[in-house]
Amino acid sequence: EIVMTQSPATLSVSPGERATLSCRASQSVNINLAWYQQKPGQAPRLLIYGASTRPTGIPGRFSGSGSGTEFTLTISSLQSEDFAVYYCQHYNSWPYAFGQGTKLEIK
Amino acid sequence: EVQLVESGGGLVQPGGSLRLSCTGSGFTFSVHSMNWVRQAPGKGLEWVSYISLGSTTIQYADSVKGRFTVSRDRAKNSLYLQMNSLRDEDTAVYYCAREYGSGWNDIWGQGTLVTVSS
Repeated sequence: EIVMTQSPATLSVSPGERATLSCRASQSVNINLAWYQQKPGQAPRLLIYGASTRPTGIPGRFSGSGSGTEFTLTISSLQSEDFAVYYCQHYNSWPYAFGQGTKLEIK
Repeated sequence: EVQLVESGGGLVQPGGSLRLSCTGSGFTFSVHSMNWVRQAPGKGLEWVSYISLGSTTIQYADSVKGRFTVSRDRAKNSLYLQMNSLRDEDTAVYYCAREYGSGWNDIWGQGTLVTVSS
């Protein structure tokens, strides 16, 4: 079973600044990794799949990188609507697993 | 509009059963594998179950294996989660999610709350 660990648990950043969120897998997941954004009271929203691919409609300020066991989600210039909780998820093998989340808050 | 709508949540006593439903619209439901994901109050996301488009492959998290059963009905564009022997720790919002490509979930329902309590 692959365990996903996200860091930090909470990240305080000012609007307009860059945010960097990390996700580590306990063993290689290749590039079978997705990132989701979740706001209070809402369902998760897909931001990135295949470690670095943005679905249609996701703003270009969101970017993903990494492979194997180390992954990064970067938000280049934070907007007010970006303050939320972010989860990584691997789908390399069953059981799929999510990280515990990183809460991105306004500094 | 592409959407998934869950139903069937509610309050149930420990040891009881509940059946969740998820109905898809605005897309061809039968060509997508589906997942159930849950979220306990104030906690993170937990993957629960997977069912392939033809129901030939089914997977469960260890935490629900032997108690939960996933199924789907092609004619009704629906996904189900039969939950038996419910425990306090099964209390959560349950989401159904459309799997796209090789494993990521691109469309999510709004969730349905299951509360297990005496």
